[in-house]
Amino acid sequence: TQLLEQSPQFLSIQEGENLTVYCNSSSVFSSLQWYRQEPGEGPVLLVTVVTGGEVKKLKRLTFQFGDARKDSSLHITAAQPGDTGLYLCAGAGDSSYKLIFGSGTRLLVRP
Amino acid sequence: EAGVAQSPRYKIIEKRQSVAFWCNPISGHATLYWYQQILGQGPKLLIQFQNNGVVDDSQLPKDRFSAERLKGVDSTLKIQPAKLEDSAVYLCASNRFAGGGETQYFGPGTRLLVL
Repeated sequence: TQLLEQSPQFLSIQEGENLTVYCNSSSVFSSLQWYRQEPGEGPVLLVTVVTGGEVKKLKRLTFQFGDARKDSSLHITAAQPGDTGLYLCAGAGDSSYKLIFGSGTRLLVRP
Repeated sequence: EAGVAQSPRYKIIEKRQSVAFWCNPISGHATLYWYQQILGQGPKLLIQFQNNGVVDDSQLPKDRFSAERLKGVDSTLKIQPAKLEDSAVYLCASNRFAGGGETQYFGPGTRLLVL
């Protein structure tokens, strides 16, 4: 069974601070996605990484896929209150596009 | 372009009652997914449709859950009878086709509370 573990589960930081969220598995994934979910809404896709070692940047967010395609990280620089939300990683296996979601990291950025 | 629509947004029922959720995917999207998201957890896939055919329902509790997508467009998910542990947000998602890297678009979800 493929599992994705995210850490930390909760993070409360001050505006302007940097943070990193981790997504780890013992399984290899063909691609990995990061989503942000706000209260009362469905998850919204932020990025998809498909190549081991790949780094993608989205404004102040930097996403990295591990060389072995088993783990990923999300780094936010100078966090803002608008970054508050639940961050979910989701991996797709080789044989199907069934997404396996991690349990999420709940981020609160205080003004 | 309209997003994925779901209704109702909220539902409160007593255990052993029945409930149904409705989803209308983005126009032209062949693949539709139903997920269950329990508080504090990530979404778990219940069932995946490709047009009106079931691709994956391995995690659907078939003794109480059923889903259909008769005309390959909108879909309903039913729970009969509901249990306390079914309290969760039920998310519907769609994409053009099931493939690596294809974006899934999620609806706002239906929040179910079973008392």
